[in-house]
Amino acid sequence: GAGVSQTPSNKVTEKGKYVELRCDPISGHTALYWYRQSLGQGPEFLIYFQGTGAADDSGLPNDRFFAVRPEGSVSTLKIQRTERGDSAVYLCASSLRSSGGTTSSTDTQYFGPGTRLTVL
Amino acid sequence: AQRVTQPEKLLSVFKGAPVELKCNYSYSGSPELFWYVQYSRQRLQLLLRHISRESIKGFTADLNKGETSFHLKKPFAQEEDSAMYYCALSYGKLTFGQGTILTVHP
Repeated sequence: GAGVSQTPSNKVTEKGKYVELRCDPISGHTALYWYRQSLGQGPEFLIYFQGTGAADDSGLPNDRFFAVRPEGSVSTLKIQRTERGDSAVYLCASSLRSSGGTTSSTDTQYFGPGTRLTVL
Repeated sequence: AQRVTQPEKLLSVFKGAPVELKCNYSYSGSPELFWYVQYSRQRLQLLLRHISRESIKGFTADLNKGETSFHLKKPFAQEEDSAMYYCALSYGKLTFGQGTILTVHP
């Protein structure tokens, strides 16, 4: 079946511009995650959704970053007034569910191919 | 706070040699740990998770709570094992280490 897809695969923009990155999760997956991977680093958590609501947005670096998932499926990560430091690969992942909270069981997260964002 | 440390950025071995990729973590609760792998030009994918106690592609990893480690091991490395490996800790969201690039030479 189809995996997680992300568009665009590459995005080049100028400093100060606004960008939107899209994620299509695996059908039926209720949990969706955004991560950011800078060069030479492991992925860093940004935000995750359970259904339509953001269950944890503690990883968003500042208020220029915002994400939505209005119908509980596709998600869009929005970055306002982009800065050169925002350049990174933005990864999306989905899982059947997420426990969060105090339990330790977590469904497997399936990753998309990423969007490489370059801010000039 | 959760933290995952992979002390080796690069690891090179010859085909048929044993390989061990190190991972240490810090976490106050009961951790769930994973190894993810990214082959060249492919997406990040799950290799194994500690609760399943499986051996995937000949790799195993044992959670040692006393040493807070989750090292990945394979007794006989293959060239196709060359990839980037990430150790990750989960409490809903994943916290990743910085990754280790494994190169297996013929």
